Amino acid sequence: GQQLNQSPQSMFIQEGEDVSMNCTSSSIFNTWLWYKQDPGEGPVLLIALYKAGELTSNGRLTAQFGITRKDSFLNISASIPSDVGIYFCAGLLSGGGADGLTFGKGTHLIIQP
Amino acid sequence: NAGVTQTPKFRVLKTGQSMTLLCAQDMNHEYMYWYRQDPGMGLRLIHYSVGEGTTAKGEVPDGYNVSRLKKQNFLLGLESAAPSQTSVYFCASSYWQTYGYTFGSGTRLTVV
Repeated sequence: GQQLNQSPQSMFIQEGEDVSMNCTSSSIFNTWLWYKQDPGEGPVLLIALYKAGELTSNGRLTAQFGITRKDSFLNISASIPSDVGIYFCAGLLSGGGADGLTFGKGTHLIIQP
Repeated sequence: NAGVTQTPKFRVLKTGQSMTLLCAQDMNHEYMYWYRQDPGMGLRLIHYSVGEGTTAKGEVPDGYNVSRLKKQNFLLGLESAAPSQTSVYFCASSYWQTYGYTFGSGTRLTVV
């Protein structure tokens, strides 16, 4: 299937630090979504982006839909312990079929107090 | 306001046994999906459905079958379990394919 390259694979940071992660692809996407997965739970939608260049915030989280429509970024400001988890990007390909979203492999965020 | 409910939450099977995983959603969503999650592999689509009575293959369909007899339910079957099917299985649903998915809390399956 289509590949989304999500980086970094994992991050070890101190509480209070800002976090940045991104997803890139060689294909054009119409929609970008960012999910967070807590241990033992299913992914939960954080932010949805529907337009190239769009910048959307949800509390301390900010995500952007890249101008080229081939990438997206997620930033977390002033990280706190409950930010720990796996963050997934997901996108809907331009002209994509009913099989829906393509997911990145996730970024593991680990916060040291 | 349950959202997406998966049963069971945990299961251990012996190689060759069969089982069915149930996914139920109460949001009147048209689209439903089954994913498996393995370390380092992210979420991989097994099968999906775009409405009651429809099913289609995803990226990794071999060894699995599905049925969507009722709009709110999407069943995933393993006819003859293999150790390679040890994984965490997630069901998801959405109103439309461009909308964010709502995920269940997962079924952890171990095949020994």
